[in-house]
Amino acid sequence: EVQLVESGGGLVQPGGSLRLSCAASGFTFSGSWMYWVRQAPGKGLEWVSRIDTDGTSITYADSVKGRFTISRDNAKSTLFLQMNSLRTEDTAVYYCARVLGWADYWGQGTLVTVSS
Amino acid sequence: DIQMTQSPTSLSASVGDRVTITCRASQSITTYLNWYQQKPGKAPKLLIYAASNLQGGVSSRFSGSGSGTDFTLTISSLQPEDFATYYCQQSYRTPITFGQGTRLDI
Repeated sequence: EVQLVESGGGLVQPGGSLRLSCAASGFTFSGSWMYWVRQAPGKGLEWVSRIDTDGTSITYADSVKGRFTISRDNAKSTLFLQMNSLRTEDTAVYYCARVLGWADYWGQGTLVTVSS
Repeated sequence: DIQMTQSPTSLSASVGDRVTITCRASQSITTYLNWYQQKPGKAPKLLIYAASNLQGGVSSRFSGSGSGTDFTLTISSLQPEDFATYYCQQSYRTPITFGQGTRLDI
């Protein structure tokens, strides 16, 4: 069974940092591209970042470019999102998802709240 | 960036109704169009990929069509569990973009 479990969310002050993790199981993680997608409270879905199988091809939404860094550890089947210089508008539930051209499996999400 | 526009943004319907949701892309995305269902407090669930392919385990009352810039998601006979928000998403080019969502209410 495919499972994606996010962790690392929480309350942080503006300008602070957080590192999200997504632990994958039930599929060949090293062979899968991955997304981070977020959803602000009461809002729609916003794509954040994408990484290829070995981390050599990475893209970001303009809204997070230069502040967020996606990475992966294939030996530990884990995806990461390092979030720096956080802003109040980054408050959202953050989901990781497996990508086959489309996002076929999603985690349950982890809530990040940026507030003073 | 490719803009995705869904219509309507909200829709009231009844069990047994046939419902169609439309998604329009700001430029051609061939068939790189996916549909997701999301219920409150839950992660999105993939329904349709590549415009018209039903994801495994998804009810056959869901269907998708279209290519280029215009796409539709059809639910043939609404069931109580179908009341949710639906999103289209283009995977033709980064940045990946979603439609604003269509909330389907009773």
